[in-house]
Amino acid sequence: AQSVAQPEDQVNVAEGNPLTVKCTYSVSGNPYLFWYVQYPNRGLQFLLKYITGDNLVKGSYGFEAEFNKSQTSFHLKKPSALVSDSALYFCAVRPSGTYKYIFGTGTRLKVLA
Amino acid sequence: DGGITQSPKYLFRKEGQNVTLSCEQNLNHDAMYWYRQDPGQGLRLIYYSQIVNDFQKGDIAEGYSVSREKKESFPLTVTSAQKNPTAFYLCASSAPTQYFGPGTRLLVL
Repeated sequence: AQSVAQPEDQVNVAEGNPLTVKCTYSVSGNPYLFWYVQYPNRGLQFLLKYITGDNLVKGSYGFEAEFNKSQTSFHLKKPSALVSDSALYFCAVRPSGTYKYIFGTGTRLKVLA
Repeated sequence: DGGITQSPKYLFRKEGQNVTLSCEQNLNHDAMYWYRQDPGQGLRLIYYSQIVNDFQKGDIAEGYSVSREKKESFPLTVTSAQKNPTAFYLCASSAPTQYFGPGTRLLVL
């Protein structure tokens, strides 16, 4: 079965330190990969995507993600975390040839002042 | 402003009642989606539509119904058959990046 895993329910990081939120997937073919952020009682906001090309993708608010095909991973990163980055982050995959998206269960990021 | 609107923001359902959640988009996207979000469970797909007058069941379609009469609109009805409807409902459209509306929180009286 196709799936997306976000192995950490919560990630804590000090403000100013680099952050990583992990995502791995089990999907055949060449899927599209996405990261979203959700603030309380709000919809998901698009951060970045990988479809093809450079493995390092830059997105909104200083976030970036690295696609690793051999490890089937798409980890979200930011060089210097802000308290305002504290939110729920979702990784999503759209398998090739389908309109459906598969979401991870989300990782809560807490940036400590 | 381009985007996706959902209404109402909060909706209360009485037992045995059907309620309809509205979703409208002006992004000119063909594909639209409904998800249900429960604490700690991520997003689960209820229904999706690739094109007008066509839609498919997602992973948890039982107790829900949809229509897609216009490209811009994809309303979701939560029927009385859905015994545990309390959740946060998210509408999205895609081409291929998915964009989400602000959500509707459904509560049971």
